[in-house]
Amino acid sequence: DQQVKQNSPSLSVQEGRISILNCDYTNSMFDYFLWYKKYPAEGPTFLISISSIKDKNEDGRFTVFLNKSAKHLSLHIVPSQPGDSAVYFCAASDPGVGNQFYFGTGTSLTVIP
Amino acid sequence: ETGVTQSPTHLIKTRGQQVTLRCSSQSGHNTVSWYQQALGQGPQFIFQYYREEENGRGNFPPRFSGLQFPNYSSELNVNALELDDSALYLCASSRSPGNTIYFGEGSWLTVV
Repeated sequence: DQQVKQNSPSLSVQEGRISILNCDYTNSMFDYFLWYKKYPAEGPTFLISISSIKDKNEDGRFTVFLNKSAKHLSLHIVPSQPGDSAVYFCAASDPGVGNQFYFGTGTSLTVIP
Repeated sequence: ETGVTQSPTHLIKTRGQQVTLRCSSQSGHNTVSWYQQALGQGPQFIFQYYREEENGRGNFPPRFSGLQFPNYSSELNVNALELDDSALYLCASSRSPGNTIYFGEGSWLTVV
């Protein structure tokens, strides 16, 4: 049973515009969320995190929004750059089971120059 | 600061064989987790090691086993390899269980 879902397998955005990647989860006990970027033939690279006590976290061009009532989070990239083209994964953890992260299946972002 | 390193990067094994994958954690990290990523899927949790003991396990059979050493490095062992074990195996370390995990480059395993 997939507890973290990324329903958009792919997304294309023009350079300079905003990229919005979405993630939904089913477990209301999840309280810590992460986003990763993955290039082909490399391991995932940590981008940004958010705790359930917040609804927004920013780091440079990356902002993550959390809507706990909707069990939804999103990653905004502004402005998008060609180097942002990669697969993006969201992940979540349950503090009662603090040893694993549950990952979505990823969204492939293509930023068109 | 040294990141997570994994070896080997690629390997090919025959069905029924055994494989050992190795991981050195990032400096300052005492917790190591292993994930399996099949093509087109997100990483799936195999297990975590903390203080040299298994600290949680995902839905993987006992032929997947591991070790953590006093320097926090870790091994993943898979016995009786099956074709479906072909995947990218990712090691991740963290400052403690439940904290942000940082991945290595991964080990690509192909079982033929």
